[in-house]
Amino acid sequence: KAGVTQTPRYLIKTRGQQVTLSCSPISGHRSVSWYQQTPGQGLQFLFEYFSETQRNKGNFPGRFSGRQFSNSRSEMNVSTLELGDSALYLCASSLPGTGVLSSGYTFGSGTRLTVV
Amino acid sequence: AQTVTQSQPEMSVQEAETVTLSCTYDTSENNYYLFWYKQPPSRQMILVIRQEAYKQQNATENRFSVNFQKAAKSFSLKISDSQLGDTAMYFCAFMKQYSGGGADGLTFGKGTHLIIQP
Repeated sequence: KAGVTQTPRYLIKTRGQQVTLSCSPISGHRSVSWYQQTPGQGLQFLFEYFSETQRNKGNFPGRFSGRQFSNSRSEMNVSTLELGDSALYLCASSLPGTGVLSSGYTFGSGTRLTVV
Repeated sequence: AQTVTQSQPEMSVQEAETVTLSCTYDTSENNYYLFWYKQPPSRQMILVIRQEAYKQQNATENRFSVNFQKAAKSFSLKISDSQLGDTAMYFCAFMKQYSGGGADGLTFGKGTHLIIQP
């Protein structure tokens, strides 16, 4: 079955612009999480969506937002981009409820965002 | 808040050798899960093995096994008969479990870059 699909793979944006990243989870997975990966800070949790509702949120400014659609696809938006937002953004999907405890998360290959 | 520490930034071993990656964590929670993820150059995070905190038996998946010491808050990964394809970044991760059955986001360590030499 198809894995977690993230688009685009690479993105270059200018400081001050905004960007939208997309994530399509594995069929049947209704929970989608987003992570930011940088060399300095490592992997950090951004937020998690389930049934179109944000359930958990990491410690990131309000410039980072997301949403989930009825088909479980999710988008992440970063407004007023800063140089420090350059990172690999990873999306992960999981089974709903207690399913995540048995199967863990399945990750996509990420979107590499470069802010210049 | 939870923290996960991987004290070995990089390790290098010969093919077919056994290697152990270290991970310690700090938490006041009693119900949680621990994971090891592998990230090859393709960037995709791949689940290697998981451990439920309430289980005393160490998890095993083929050549991969863990040594879970709950009291010491230690969760090391052992790779037996290492192969060239095992070369990757390895991340230890912690996930808090809620009493209602839900779970929190993953807290990752900084990772260990494992290099398998031919």
